[in-house]
Amino acid sequence: GENVEQHPSTLSVQEGDSAVIKCTYSDSASNYFPWYKQELGKGPQLIIDIRSNVGEKKDQRIAVTLNKTAKHFSLHITETQPEDSAVYFCAAHNQAGTALIFGKGTTLSVSS
Amino acid sequence: DAGITQSPRHKVTETGTPVTLRCHQTENHRYMYWYRQDPGHGLRLIHYSYGVKDTDKGEVSDGYSVSRSKTEDFLLTLESATSSQTSVYFCAIASDTYEQYFGPGTRLTVT
Repeated sequence: GENVEQHPSTLSVQEGDSAVIKCTYSDSASNYFPWYKQELGKGPQLIIDIRSNVGEKKDQRIAVTLNKTAKHFSLHITETQPEDSAVYFCAAHNQAGTALIFGKGTTLSVSS
Repeated sequence: DAGITQSPRHKVTETGTPVTLRCHQTENHRYMYWYRQDPGHGLRLIHYSYGVKDTDKGEVSDGYSVSRSKTEDFLLTLESATSSQTSVYFCAIASDTYEQYFGPGTRLTVT
């Protein structure tokens, strides 16, 4: 069935370093790939997304890249700060394009 | 949380009792979703709605039903709660099938 795999499950970096989280998806028909940040006790928050007609998108310290041939996409956070510490989820559209399939999440810890 | 509220925010109930969770939006978005979040499983889709009275099943729909009689409200019902339904439940809304915005969640414990 449709599946999104996310790696790593945990990531620890020093403040100022970069962090990269990678996801692969199974359905070649997927055309939308969002990333969510979830802080403790809160709902996931959409932080950036990319559609299949572009290969990269950037928003300040956050960027997402997409490789449709290899069916993988990545989140890049530069100059990490302690407030970037959270759980990050990737997702992809399901085959019907009606809902999202989520990865299992990456816990990012940024130490100062 | 993008004009989304969930109620109750916390609930403890006993096995075998019915439970209804409510999601309310003020954005007039067409699409509404119910997810559950469990350690090691991420977010899994239970049911979703693409309009008033129009709903469809997600990945983990067994044991759950939904109703949407108004654009702003999407109800999730556990007909007879089981311990395996202990989880955090999130509602999400979207104007199309792309950008989804999540509510604050409901923590449900079934004892």
